[in-house]
Amino acid sequence: EPEVTQTPSHQVTQMGQEVILRCVPISNHLYFYWYRQILGQKVEFLVSFYNNEISEKSEIFDDQFSVERPDGSNFTLKIRSTKLEDSAMYFCAGDRGYNSPLHFGNGTRLTVT
Amino acid sequence: AQTVTQSQPEMSVQEAETVTLSCTYDTSENNYYLFWYKQPPSRQMILVIRQEAYKQQNATENRFSVNFQKAAKSFSLKISDSQLGDTAMYFCALKGGETSGSRLTFGEGTQLTVNP
Repeated sequence: EPEVTQTPSHQVTQMGQEVILRCVPISNHLYFYWYRQILGQKVEFLVSFYNNEISEKSEIFDDQFSVERPDGSNFTLKIRSTKLEDSAMYFCAGDRGYNSPLHFGNGTRLTVT
Repeated sequence: AQTVTQSQPEMSVQEAETVTLSCTYDTSENNYYLFWYKQPPSRQMILVIRQEAYKQQNATENRFSVNFQKAAKSFSLKISDSQLGDTAMYFCALKGGETSGSRLTFGEGTQLTVNP
């Protein structure tokens, strides 16, 4: 069964540094998402991406965040200048539309020190 | 705005017994989708079961079934014959219809522990 693949599984970075989290979605998916989960808290929506542009974003997704899918394969989340509160598990997900379930990757654990 | 509420932060059950996890939600959509996801200690998000709001019949998936009460906006998960591998955090989630976009709104989660 096809899977959503995320790399790296764990990323440690210093406050103020830029990080790029990478995802390879399932090939027949049309919508792509990033969610985050701060330890012990619920999963929060960050952004959705469709047809090579952002279709929806949450209040969390401020100017420090950006997404792109440059080569039609990889889907990346960039955090420009990381803060301590960005430490969380970041999940990439994809689906074929609102009437289909999300398939999640295994997540990238980001630790900002 | 859509909301999902899980009022049971923790639950436990004996192996082989049945347990029900509660979930209530709020949405203004007529067509929407409800899901239960399981998150084991590895923190992977695994789809357990889904329910389309336009279907009256409750979804079942092997030992997992739901009790979907649309008027009450309730969506509980029943796990029969609980197994040790069912120990995980369970999240109820709502996906809105066409006017609400395709984002998934999660509840706070219920930590289920299956005891031997």
